[in-house]
Amino acid sequence: EMQVVESGGGLVQPGDSLRLSCAVSGFPFITYWMTWVRQAPGKGLEWVATIRQDGSRMYYVDSLKGRFTISRDNAKNSLYLHMSTLRAEDTAVYYCARDSGPGIFDLWGQGTLVTVSS
Amino acid sequence: DIVLTQSPATLSLSPGERATLSCRASQAIATYLAWYQQKPGQAPRLLIYDASKRATGTPARFSGSGSGTDFTLSISSLEPEDFAVYYCQQRTNWLYTFGQGTKLDIK
Repeated sequence: EMQVVESGGGLVQPGDSLRLSCAVSGFPFITYWMTWVRQAPGKGLEWVATIRQDGSRMYYVDSLKGRFTISRDNAKNSLYLHMSTLRAEDTAVYYCARDSGPGIFDLWGQGTLVTVSS
Repeated sequence: DIVLTQSPATLSLSPGERATLSCRASQAIATYLAWYQQKPGQAPRLLIYDASKRATGTPARFSGSGSGTDFTLSISSLEPEDFAVYYCQQRTNWLYTFGQGTKLDIK
Protein backbone atom coordinates (compact mmCIF):
# COMPACT_ATOMS: atom_id res chain seq x y z
CA GLU A 1 0.00 0.00 0.00
CA MET A 2 1.27 3.43 -0.92
CA GLN A 3 1.62 5.65 2.14
CA VAL A 4 3.02 8.91 3.35
CA VAL A 5 3.07 9.44 7.11
CA GLU A 6 3.98 12.74 8.75
CA SER A 7 5.42 13.16 12.23
CA GLY A 8 7.13 15.75 14.36
CA GLY A 9 4.32 18.20 15.05
CA GLY A 10 3.49 19.55 18.47
CA LEU A 11 3.24 22.63 20.65
CA VAL A 12 6.15 25.06 20.39
CA GLN A 13 6.78 28.61 21.50
CA PRO A 14 7.14 31.60 19.20
CA GLY A 15 10.71 31.82 17.94
CA ASP A 16 11.35 28.08 18.28
CA SER A 17 12.45 25.74 15.52
CA LEU A 18 10.91 22.40 14.57
CA ARG A 19 11.59 19.67 12.04
CA LEU A 20 8.77 17.71 10.49
CA SER A 21 9.35 14.32 8.90
CA CYS A 22 7.44 12.33 6.30
CA ALA A 23 8.04 8.60 5.89
CA VAL A 24 7.14 7.12 2.55
CA SER A 25 6.39 3.52 1.63
CA GLY A 26 4.82 1.49 -1.16
CA PHE A 27 6.22 3.45 -4.13
CA PRO A 28 9.66 4.41 -5.48
CA PHE A 29 10.34 7.60 -3.48
CA ILE A 30 13.37 8.55 -5.54
CA THR A 31 11.27 8.95 -8.70
CA TYR A 32 8.89 11.55 -7.30
CA TRP A 33 8.94 15.22 -6.50
CA MET A 34 7.61 15.81 -2.99
CA THR A 35 5.70 18.71 -1.47
CA TRP A 36 4.54 20.19 1.82
CA VAL A 37 1.13 21.89 2.07
CA ARG A 38 -0.31 23.44 5.20
CA GLN A 39 -3.79 24.31 6.44
CA ALA A 40 -4.43 26.71 9.30
CA PRO A 41 -7.37 25.81 11.56
CA GLY A 42 -10.63 26.39 9.72
CA LYS A 43 -8.82 27.82 6.68
CA GLY A 44 -7.89 26.75 3.17
CA LEU A 45 -4.85 25.03 1.76
CA GLU A 46 -1.51 26.76 1.30
CA TRP A 47 1.37 25.33 -0.72
CA VAL A 48 4.60 25.55 1.32
CA ALA A 49 7.48 23.95 -0.61
CA THR A 50 8.43 21.39 -3.26
CA ILE A 51 11.65 19.44 -3.81
CA ARG A 52 12.95 17.69 -6.91
CA GLN A 53 13.60 13.96 -6.96
CA ASP A 54 17.35 14.27 -6.42
CA GLY A 55 17.08 17.13 -3.93
CA SER A 56 18.90 19.53 -6.25
CA ARG A 57 16.09 22.05 -6.62
CA MET A 58 13.68 23.42 -4.03
CA TYR A 59 10.82 25.86 -4.44
CA TYR A 60 9.05 27.83 -1.73
CA VAL A 61 6.09 30.10 -1.25
CA ASP A 62 7.53 33.62 -1.12
CA SER A 63 6.21 34.38 2.38
CA LEU A 64 8.22 31.50 3.93
CA LYS A 65 11.52 31.79 2.10
CA GLY A 66 14.40 31.98 4.52
CA ARG A 67 12.52 30.46 7.46
CA PHE A 68 11.48 27.06 6.11
CA THR A 69 13.75 24.50 4.41
CA ILE A 70 12.61 21.39 2.58
CA SER A 71 14.97 18.45 2.24
CA ARG A 72 14.91 14.72 1.58
CA ASP A 73 16.93 11.58 2.25
CA ASN A 74 16.32 9.14 -0.58
CA ALA A 75 18.20 6.38 1.25
CA LYS A 76 15.68 6.63 4.09
CA ASN A 77 12.60 7.28 1.92
CA SER A 78 12.02 10.40 3.96
CA LEU A 79 11.06 14.01 3.41
CA TYR A 80 11.68 16.81 5.89
CA LEU A 81 10.59 20.35 6.62
CA HIS A 82 12.78 22.41 8.90
CA MET A 83 10.93 25.41 10.29
CA SER A 84 12.67 28.19 12.15
CA THR A 85 11.63 31.37 13.97
CA LEU A 86 8.11 30.03 14.24
CA ARG A 87 5.21 32.45 14.59
CA ALA A 88 1.64 32.08 15.75
CA GLU A 89 0.49 32.31 12.13
CA ASP A 90 2.48 29.14 11.32
CA THR A 91 -0.03 27.18 13.40
CA ALA A 92 -1.49 24.64 10.97
CA VAL A 93 -1.79 21.04 9.96
CA TYR A 94 1.18 20.26 7.73
CA TYR A 95 0.61 17.72 4.99
CA CYS A 96 3.23 15.80 3.08
CA ALA A 97 2.19 14.99 -0.48
CA ARG A 98 3.61 12.97 -3.32
CA ASP A 99 4.01 15.22 -6.33
CA SER A 100 3.63 13.58 -9.72
CA GLY A 101 3.56 16.81 -11.70
CA PRO A 102 5.47 18.68 -10.53
CA GLY A 103 2.55 20.43 -8.96
CA ILE A 104 0.09 17.52 -9.01
CA PHE A 105 -0.37 16.30 -5.45
CA ASP A 106 -1.71 12.79 -5.88
CA LEU A 107 -1.06 11.11 -2.53
CA TRP A 108 -1.41 12.85 0.84
CA GLY A 109 -0.62 11.94 4.40
CA GLN A 110 -3.02 12.58 7.27
CA GLY A 111 -1.02 15.59 8.40
CA THR A 112 0.75 16.65 11.57
CA LEU A 113 -0.45 19.58 13.68
CA VAL A 114 1.97 22.33 14.61
CA THR A 115 0.78 24.79 17.24
CA VAL A 116 2.83 27.89 17.93
CA SER A 117 1.78 29.50 21.19
CA SER A 118 3.26 30.87 24.38
CA ASP B 1 1.38 35.41 -7.73
CA ILE B 2 -1.57 33.91 -9.52
CA VAL B 3 -4.79 34.26 -7.54
CA LEU B 4 -7.51 31.65 -7.93
CA THR B 5 -11.05 32.74 -7.11
CA GLN B 6 -13.64 30.03 -6.54
CA SER B 7 -17.39 30.52 -6.74
CA PRO B 8 -19.74 30.13 -5.13
CA ALA B 9 -18.32 30.01 -1.61
CA THR B 10 -21.11 27.63 -0.62
CA LEU B 11 -23.35 25.54 -2.83
CA SER B 12 -26.43 23.84 -1.36
CA LEU B 13 -27.84 21.00 -3.43
CA SER B 14 -29.66 17.71 -2.99
CA PRO B 15 -28.43 14.22 -3.82
CA GLY B 16 -29.05 13.43 -7.47
CA GLU B 17 -28.69 17.05 -8.60
CA ARG B 18 -25.90 18.36 -10.81
CA ALA B 19 -23.18 20.53 -9.25
CA THR B 20 -21.14 23.12 -11.11
CA LEU B 21 -18.16 24.73 -9.34
CA SER B 22 -16.12 27.55 -10.83
CA CYS B 23 -12.47 28.58 -10.51
CA ARG B 24 -11.10 31.73 -12.14
CA ALA B 25 -7.37 32.51 -12.42
CA SER B 26 -5.98 36.05 -12.28
CA GLN B 27 -3.87 35.28 -15.36
CA ALA B 28 -3.80 32.57 -17.98
CA ILE B 29 -2.54 29.19 -16.77
CA ALA B 30 -3.21 27.05 -19.87
CA THR B 31 -4.64 23.82 -18.43
CA TYR B 32 -2.36 23.61 -15.38
CA LEU B 33 -5.22 23.30 -12.93
CA ALA B 34 -6.21 20.58 -10.48
CA TRP B 35 -9.23 19.97 -8.26
CA TYR B 36 -9.14 18.43 -4.79
CA GLN B 37 -11.88 17.20 -2.48
CA GLN B 38 -11.56 17.49 1.30
CA LYS B 39 -13.93 16.01 3.86
CA PRO B 40 -13.93 17.10 7.53
CA GLY B 41 -10.95 15.72 9.44
CA GLN B 42 -9.41 14.21 6.32
CA ALA B 43 -6.57 15.06 4.00
CA PRO B 44 -7.37 16.45 0.57
CA ARG B 45 -7.76 14.01 -2.29
CA LEU B 46 -6.82 14.70 -5.91
CA LEU B 47 -9.82 14.43 -8.24
CA ILE B 48 -8.84 16.13 -11.50
CA TYR B 49 -5.50 17.32 -12.89
CA ASP B 50 -4.52 19.28 -15.99
CA ALA B 51 -8.06 20.71 -16.03
CA SER B 52 -9.86 17.63 -17.33
CA LYS B 53 -7.95 14.43 -16.53
CA ARG B 54 -9.49 12.25 -13.85
CA ALA B 55 -7.07 10.97 -11.23
CA THR B 56 -6.91 7.27 -10.47
CA GLY B 57 -10.05 6.27 -8.59
CA THR B 58 -12.08 9.39 -9.41
CA PRO B 59 -15.63 8.39 -10.32
CA ALA B 60 -16.84 9.19 -13.82
CA ARG B 61 -19.53 11.56 -12.48
CA PHE B 62 -16.72 14.08 -11.83
CA SER B 63 -15.53 16.06 -14.84
CA GLY B 64 -13.34 19.09 -15.32
CA SER B 65 -13.16 21.60 -18.12
CA GLY B 66 -11.64 24.91 -19.06
CA SER B 67 -8.39 26.54 -20.10
CA GLY B 68 -6.71 29.89 -19.77
CA THR B 69 -8.46 31.64 -16.88
CA ASP B 70 -11.85 29.94 -16.46
CA PHE B 71 -12.35 26.42 -15.17
CA THR B 72 -15.26 24.29 -14.05
CA LEU B 73 -15.67 21.16 -11.96
CA SER B 74 -18.95 19.35 -12.62
CA ILE B 75 -20.52 16.52 -10.69
CA SER B 76 -23.24 15.00 -12.83
CA SER B 77 -25.42 13.44 -10.13
CA LEU B 78 -24.51 14.08 -6.51
CA GLU B 79 -23.96 11.13 -4.21
CA PRO B 80 -24.12 11.55 -0.41
CA GLU B 81 -20.33 11.13 -0.18
CA ASP B 82 -19.73 14.08 -2.52
CA PHE B 83 -20.69 16.71 0.03
CA ALA B 84 -17.34 18.23 0.98
CA VAL B 85 -15.08 21.20 0.32
CA TYR B 86 -13.49 21.47 -3.13
CA TYR B 87 -10.29 23.36 -3.91
CA CYS B 88 -8.76 24.28 -7.23
CA GLN B 89 -4.96 24.63 -7.53
CA GLN B 90 -2.66 25.92 -10.26
CA ARG B 91 0.89 24.78 -11.00
CA THR B 92 2.69 27.41 -13.04
CA ASN B 93 6.00 29.21 -12.58
CA TRP B 94 6.99 27.23 -9.47
CA LEU B 95 4.61 29.30 -7.33
CA TYR B 96 1.64 27.06 -6.73
CA THR B 97 -1.56 28.47 -5.31
CA PHE B 98 -4.94 27.16 -4.19
CA GLY B 99 -8.35 28.73 -4.41
CA GLN B 100 -10.19 29.53 -1.19
CA GLY B 101 -12.54 26.57 -1.60
CA THR B 102 -16.21 25.88 -2.33
CA LYS B 103 -18.23 24.10 0.31
CA LEU B 104 -20.79 21.76 -1.19
CA ASP B 105 -23.44 20.99 1.38
CA ILE B 106 -26.69 19.12 1.51
CA LYS B 107 -29.83 21.14 0.93
